[in-house]
Amino acid sequence: NAGVTQTPKFRVLKTGQSMTLLCAQDMNHEYMYWYRQDPGMGLRLIHYSVGEGTTAKGEVPDGYNVSRLKKQNFLLGLESAAPSQTSVYFCASSRSGTGRYEQYFGPGTRLTVT
Amino acid sequence: KNEVEQSPQNLTAQEGEFITINCSYSVGISALHWLQQHPGGGIVSLFMLSSGKKKHGRLIATINIQEKHSSLHITASHPRDSAVYICAVRSGATNKLIFGTGTLLAVQP
Repeated sequence: NAGVTQTPKFRVLKTGQSMTLLCAQDMNHEYMYWYRQDPGMGLRLIHYSVGEGTTAKGEVPDGYNVSRLKKQNFLLGLESAAPSQTSVYFCASSRSGTGRYEQYFGPGTRLTVT
Repeated sequence: KNEVEQSPQNLTAQEGEFITINCSYSVGISALHWLQQHPGGGIVSLFMLSSGKKKHGRLIATINIQEKHSSLHITASHPRDSAVYICAVRSGATNKLIFGTGTLLAVQP
């Protein structure tokens, strides 16, 4: 099993450009999450999904959109990138949203917006 | 004030030393996680606990629910233990994970 994979691993965008980050998991997990990690701050939740076809806002959703058309995939979109979105993005998945189950993280995507 | 505080923020140790990283939180929780992040790498779950103590190899995690405090101990530290260690709590109110800012550990040979 590959676990949680993310593509791409690195990306440089110019301000105003758009892009989509892809997260895939092969563990049949219901819950999937997108986080961003910035220096001096803990990971912050952008959006999450509790199952195929569902999405919900997290702590810092502005400027991002997501889709979960298939259970195994969770896409994060930036419609018009801004320098403030320079960050490392992590996708995670879990069997459930309760405290009994741990989250499995992808390797991260380093995004730079110039 | 952050809901999850870790100390120290940075820690340098000599190989073989016993290491303790602390995590305090201010919210009601259903579980606490310890995670490890190597430089340039992904995040790996080390422990998930809601009470007492867990041990895996040279790593030990404890939690005191009444005091809202957890510790991660590394015995006989090794340079390969060098990483960022992150404490995260699952909020009992929202069911979301709240992350600490991490402790950067460097173990020198």
